[in-house]
Amino acid sequence: EPEVTQTPSHQVTQMGQEVILRCVPISNHLYFYWYRQILGQKVEFLVSFYNNEISEKSEIFDDQFSVERPDGSNFTLKIRSTKLEDSAMYFCASSPPGLAGGKNEQYFGPGTRLTVT
Amino acid sequence: AQSVTQPDIHITVSEGASLELRCNYSYGATPYLFWYVQSPGQGLQLLLKYFSGDTLVQGIKGFEAEFKRSQSSFNLRKPSVHWSDAAEYFCVAGTGRRALTFGSGTRLQVQP
Repeated sequence: EPEVTQTPSHQVTQMGQEVILRCVPISNHLYFYWYRQILGQKVEFLVSFYNNEISEKSEIFDDQFSVERPDGSNFTLKIRSTKLEDSAMYFCASSPPGLAGGKNEQYFGPGTRLTVT
Repeated sequence: AQSVTQPDIHITVSEGASLELRCNYSYGATPYLFWYVQSPGQGLQLLLKYFSGDTLVQGIKGFEAEFKRSQSSFNLRKPSVHWSDAAEYFCVAGTGRRALTFGSGTRLQVQP
């Protein structure tokens, strides 16, 4: 069964460094998402991406964050200058094309644990 | 503001016992509703989904959930829990292709 994959599984970085988290969505999916979960807190939406542009973003997704689909398979999240509070599990998700009204679920990857020291 | 509430942070049941995990939502209109499960070290796996129609939905691993509009609830049930069901369960709501809103999760522990 196709699944969303994410690399790396764990990333440790120093404050102020740039990180790129990578995701390979399911191959025929067209909608892509990033979420994060700070330890002990709820899973929070960051951004959604469709047709090579951001379709929705949360207040968390400020100028330090960017997303890109550099080729036909990868979907990346970049944090330009990491802060301690960026430490979290980051989940990528994708959703297929399909029924009107967006009656489609999102399929999640296993996550990348980012630790900022 | 849109929200999903899971009132039980932690539940312990004996293997073979029945299970019900509670979920309430607050949305402007009836959202699409999902239950996801996260096992330790694993990603978020979709258990079941409700878009419209029959209010009792069946999912994988023997789970089911019932949508009750009058109570703004979408409780998850399983008649007989197995030790492998120990995990964290998230009730999730969304509309169309937009961002999903997660509940805070319920951690299920299964006693032998």
